Amino acid sequence: GNSVTQMEGPVTLSEEAFLTINCTYTATGYPSLFWYVQYPGEGLQLLLKATKADDKGSNKGFEATYRKETTSFHLEKGSVQVSDSAVYFCALLYNFNKFYFGSGTKLNVKP
Amino acid sequence: GAGVSQSPSNKVTEKGKDVELRCDPISGHTALYWYRQSLGQGLEFLIYFQGNSAPDKSGLPSDRFSAERTGGSVSTLTIQRTQQEDSAVYLCASSLGSRNQNYGYTFGSGTRLTVV
Repeated sequence: GNSVTQMEGPVTLSEEAFLTINCTYTATGYPSLFWYVQYPGEGLQLLLKATKADDKGSNKGFEATYRKETTSFHLEKGSVQVSDSAVYFCALLYNFNKFYFGSGTKLNVKP
Repeated sequence: GAGVSQSPSNKVTEKGKDVELRCDPISGHTALYWYRQSLGQGLEFLIYFQGNSAPDKSGLPSDRFSAERTGGSVSTLTIQRTQQEDSAVYLCASSLGSRNQNYGYTFGSGTRLTVV
């Protein structure tokens, strides 16, 4: 079946630290991969996406590369800010119409 | 509208009562999805609409859950005889169409349901 596994949180970092949130997936076929972010009190927002192997998605300083050989889509940012504090969800889109989400990773960035 | 609108934003109900949750998708979005986010859990797929039809209802957890969509726009998720385990945030999302991989979903802010 299809599933997404991401590292458990919370992840606590100091401002300007390097961020990695691991995400691996299991899927039949060739899914698209996404990262969504949920800021406190707000709905889910699309952060970045990659639709095929070796694609790199990037937005707001975040990036993730679709690695088919390791079935991974790890989220990285070189220098986090307090405003990046949120819950991050990795997801795969299967068969064009169904998303499978990971359980979410809460990021706390301290000044 | 400009975004996906859900109402109510919060709902507290007594166990055994029925509730209706509403989702108003972005204008022109033909695909609509319902997800459930339980405390500390990821998102659980409930149902997917393409237009007014629901080709995938596989995520509805029991026959107490039902959903409909009329006019290819507003959708209502109904939970009958609510139970405490139904307490969760119910999220609605819409997208341009089922075969467009270039877009993710646009999510609403959700309805927080608490069954007491």
